[in-house]
Amino acid sequence: AQKITQTQPGMFVQEKEAVTLDCTYDTSDQSYGLFWYKQPSSGEMIFLIYQGSYDEQNATEGRYSLNFQKARKSANLVISASQLGDSAMYFCAMREPIWGSNYKLTFGKGTLLTVNP
Amino acid sequence: DSGVTQTPKHLITATGQRVTLRCSPRSGDLSVYWYQQSLDQGLQFLIQYYNGEERAKGNILERFSAQQFPDLHSELNLSSLELGDSALYFCASSLGGPSYEQYFGPGTRLTVT
Repeated sequence: AQKITQTQPGMFVQEKEAVTLDCTYDTSDQSYGLFWYKQPSSGEMIFLIYQGSYDEQNATEGRYSLNFQKARKSANLVISASQLGDSAMYFCAMREPIWGSNYKLTFGKGTLLTVNP
Repeated sequence: DSGVTQTPKHLITATGQRVTLRCSPRSGDLSVYWYQQSLDQGLQFLIQYYNGEERAKGNILERFSAQQFPDLHSELNLSSLELGDSALYFCASSLGGPSYEQYFGPGTRLTVT
């Protein structure tokens, strides 16, 4: 069974600074994918970034980057130049095959990020 | 905006009642997934439909059922509601092929009183 662990229930960061949100995973699959989603207080789930297990480069999307360390089974999200609007819950998730090329997402418990002015 | 729509946004009902949550996937997406987010269980996969057929079940209660219609919209039916069913219910869609993203709708917040 797959498992996602986010060990930081809450994190604080000053505006304009960088912050790293931790995520470790456990899987016996060779092919897998890791996602980060943002959930603001309004409730919607916003896709941020994806990393495939065979991707050689760490994924980046604007101010978001994923620090992927395969041997350590970690996929930490780095947010550079934090903004007040980054305050939200952040979820790490793993793609788990269901059938064929379809999959479900298994989520961690999330990290609540608060950006202070 | 993800392109996935869910109605209603909020739903308040009493124990023992039955409700229906509706989801319209992104244009062109054949797969619909339902997830439940509650304080104690976190985000959990419930069920997946692909082009009208049920394909996978997760932690879905027997009191819950779903279907996907020919126009690809999906409905999640929750019956004999209990207080513990209060949660945020998300629908997500994907192409159903080798696609890496599931696009989430805004969710339906269900409160059972």
